[in-house]
Amino acid sequence: GENVEQHPSTLSVQEGDSAVIKCTYSDSASNYFPWYKQELGKRPQLIIDIRSNVGEKKDQRIAVTLNKTAKHFSLHITETQPEDSAVYFCAASRWDSNYQLIWGAGTKLIIKP
Amino acid sequence: EAQVTQNPRYLITVTGKKLTVTCSQNMNHEYMSWYRQDPGLGLRQIYYSMNVEVTDKGDVPEGYKVSRKEKRNFPLILESPSPNQTSLYFCASSSGTDSYEQYFGPGTRLTVT
Repeated sequence: GENVEQHPSTLSVQEGDSAVIKCTYSDSASNYFPWYKQELGKRPQLIIDIRSNVGEKKDQRIAVTLNKTAKHFSLHITETQPEDSAVYFCAASRWDSNYQLIWGAGTKLIIKP
Repeated sequence: EAQVTQNPRYLITVTGKKLTVTCSQNMNHEYMSWYRQDPGLGLRQIYYSMNVEVTDKGDVPEGYKVSRKEKRNFPLILESPSPNQTSLYFCASSSGTDSYEQYFGPGTRLTVT
């Protein structure tokens, strides 16, 4: 079955620097790749997603890139701010069951002042 | 306000005492799901439902039951809770039509002693 690996498990960056979180997936039929952010004590919330017919998507300071050949996708956060501190989860799903997300284990992002 | 609600938010119980965690959404979503979140393990799916009276097992269904008698409600039942079911539980829903975004409830922190 599908497996999603997420790296690193913890990432510490200086405020203002960029952060990159990478996920790899195993099922070539996967075509939907969302990223969720979970602040401490809160529920996960979707921050950006990408479908396999595009290679990159941006929304202000966050972007996601997708390499279908290599089966990996990445979250990029530029000009990091203290409010970016959270756990970030990647996920993937197949074209025939897009509601069934296979989740990565999460990355704890720490923004150092 | 569009939302997913869960009750109770916190629960401490003893081994073997049946309990139910309720989940309700007011967005007329077809898809609903239960997850458990444990440190270092990310989000693991327990059960999901594609519509009324349609439920299926996720990755970790042992020890849990669900029902979907109405579209808005998706309760999680622990018939005989054990300490290894101590966890943070999230209910989520998704529209099933124009978006695959999952909307999460606030979470239920369950402790089984």
